[in-house]
Amino acid sequence: DGGITQSPKYLFRKEGQNVTLSCEQNLNHDAMYWYRQDPGQGLRLIYYSQIVNDFQKGDIAEGYSVSREKKESFPLTVTSAQKNPTAFYLCASGPQVFSTDTQYFGPGTRLTVL
Amino acid sequence: AQSVSQHNHHVILSEAASLELGCNYSYGGTVNLFWYVQYPGQHLQLLLKYFSGDPLVKGIKGFEAEFIKSKFSFNLRKPSVQWSDTAEYFCAWGDDKIIFGKGTRLHILP
Repeated sequence: DGGITQSPKYLFRKEGQNVTLSCEQNLNHDAMYWYRQDPGQGLRLIYYSQIVNDFQKGDIAEGYSVSREKKESFPLTVTSAQKNPTAFYLCASGPQVFSTDTQYFGPGTRLTVL
Repeated sequence: AQSVSQHNHHVILSEAASLELGCNYSYGGTVNLFWYVQYPGQHLQLLLKYFSGDPLVKGIKGFEAEFIKSKFSFNLRKPSVQWSDTAEYFCAWGDDKIIFGKGTRLHILP
C-alpha cells in the first residue's frame, strides 16, 4: 500500500561520524521534506525538494545535506558538522510545494549520537 | 519572519470535557492553516485544513477549527474529548513552505 517509509527506526552513531537517513515514498509526490522534531520545539524544516535534482535549504540546514536523484527517494545525511544531531527526524511528501497541499509523514527515525 | 504560536504546551483534561487549543499566526497575507496530530507511536497526520471559504472547518474524529481573521487565530475545538484523543497537536501555517507551531501535548484522563 502507498505511503512513506523511513529506515531505520532507531539509529545510533558515534560522534564525528556522518550518517544517512533513508526516506522513500510511493505516492508519486513531487515535493519531499525533512523535518527535525525536538521536545518543545515542534517541527523545524531542514531541507525540501520540489522536483528531482532540485532542493532548497529550510530553516536549520547547517550540518545537513540531501540529494534527490529519484522522485521517490530523498535521503538526508547528518554530517559531523551538525552540533546537536540527536533528534527525531521526520520525512514528508506532498503533491507539490504549494501550501494548500496536505503533507504526508513517515514514521520517523530517532537518531542518537553517542 | 512568519511564525505560529500555540499557547498551551501541555493540557490535561478528563473524558467528556470540552477542548480548545489556541493557535495564532503572524500576518503573512496568505492564509493556509493546518492542524496535524501525532498519536503515540503513530505518524503525524492531518486533522483539518483551511485555505478559503467557510471559516469553520470540520475535520476528522469530531474536531473542528475556526479561522478568525481579525485575531490571526485558528483554534482547534472538540465538544467532548475521549481518552483516544491523547496525542500531540501541531498547528501549521503555509505559504511557500509550512511553518509548524511547537505543539501541544494533550493528555486525557479516563
